[in-house]
Amino acid sequence: TQLLEQSPQFLSIQEGENLTVYCNSSSVFSSLQWYRQEPGEGPVLLVTVVTGGEVKKLKRLTFQFGDARKDSSLHITAAQTGDTGLYLCAGRGTSGTYKYIFGTGTRLKVLA
Amino acid sequence: DTAVSQTPKYLVTQMGNDKSIKCEQNLGHDTMYWYKQDSKKFLKIMFSYNNKELIINETVPNRFSPKSPDKAHLNLHINSLELGDSAVYFCASSPRVAGYEQYFGPGTRLTVT
Repeated sequence: TQLLEQSPQFLSIQEGENLTVYCNSSSVFSSLQWYRQEPGEGPVLLVTVVTGGEVKKLKRLTFQFGDARKDSSLHITAAQTGDTGLYLCAGRGTSGTYKYIFGTGTRLKVLA
Repeated sequence: DTAVSQTPKYLVTQMGNDKSIKCEQNLGHDTMYWYKQDSKKFLKIMFSYNNKELIINETVPNRFSPKSPDKAHLNLHINSLELGDSAVYFCASSPRVAGYEQYFGPGTRLTVT
């Protein structure tokens, strides 16, 4: 069974600080996505990474897919209160599966 | 203009009842999904349909039955509701199967008392 563990589980920081969220597995994934979910809403896709070592930037957010495609990280520079939410990684396996397995989630709270 | 919509938003019912949740997408996508998010925010796939054909059927009690009348609609019917069914259920759609972005609905919070 493929599992995606995210760390930290909870994170509370001050506005302006930097942070990194990790998504780790012992399985290889063909692609990995990051979502942000706000209370009372569904997850919204931030990025998809498909190549080992790939780095993508979305404004202050930097996403990296591990070289072995087993892990990923999300780095936020100068966090803002609008970054508050639940961050979820989701990986698709390599065996021709159609489904994405979601990670355990990281709840981020950015304080003003 | 809502891309993926679900009804109802909230559903409170008693154990043993049967209930349905409806989902519609106006994005022209081929693939639709049902996910369950538990109290710890863990999101788990339940079912997926591609062009009205069931392609993913996870280990879900057979009290849960999805139905896709056309590729824009995916409904979820739950029989004999149990306390453990309380969760938020999300519908999602994607342009094709596998490897594409998923667009999620706003969720249906089901509370079984």
